[in-house]
Amino acid sequence: EIVLTQSPGTLSLSPGERATLSCRASQSVSSNYLAWYQQKPGQAPRLLIYRASSRATGIPDRFSGSGSGTDFTLTIGRLEPEDFAVYYCQQYGSSPIFTFGPGTKVDIK
Amino acid sequence: EVQLLESGGGLVQPGGSLRLSCAASGFTFSSYAMTWVRQAPGEGLEWVTTISGSGAGTYYADSVKGRFAISRDNSKNTLYLQMNSLRADDTAVYYCAKFADGFCDATRCYGCFDPWGQGTLVTVSS
Repeated sequence: EIVLTQSPGTLSLSPGERATLSCRASQSVSSNYLAWYQQKPGQAPRLLIYRASSRATGIPDRFSGSGSGTDFTLTIGRLEPEDFAVYYCQQYGSSPIFTFGPGTKVDIK
Repeated sequence: EVQLLESGGGLVQPGGSLRLSCAASGFTFSSYAMTWVRQAPGEGLEWVTTISGSGAGTYYADSVKGRFAISRDNSKNTLYLQMNSLRADDTAVYYCAKFADGFCDATRCYGCFDPWGQGTLVTVSS
């Protein structure tokens, strides 16, 4: 089973700053089947990025994903107030097991 | 617009049973695999189970295998989760979600999840 590790656990930044979130897999993720989700308090998760670097429908272009193999990154170009949330990565190439990382909380500095 | 609406959550005693439902609209339900993901209070996300569009393929996390059963009624555009032998560590918000960027049949299944329903809370306690 692929284990995902996210770092840092918490990222304290100010609006307008750039956020860089990391997701590392214990084994190579097949076909870069790596997704990123955003979750705000009391809300369901929302898909941001799939296939490591493709933005989901309606996601602003300040969100970008990169990486391959075992190392992946979610970058938020300039933080807006609504971007402060928890972000999870998920691998979905290891059929039929779907695993999530523990999450990175982006909070206001 | 795709909409997913879960129902059926509530308080149940350890060892009890509960059936969750997820009513889907806005897409061709039978063409998509569906999944349940749960989130314990204050914790992260845990994949629970997935079913292919036809229902021929079902997949479970080890933590629920043999206790939970996923099913679907494509004529009613509804997904179900039958939960038996419930334990305290099953307490969580349960989300249903539609498959995206993936493929799922009776032998293999991979995909991410988009969108998600609003969730329904299951509390297992005496």
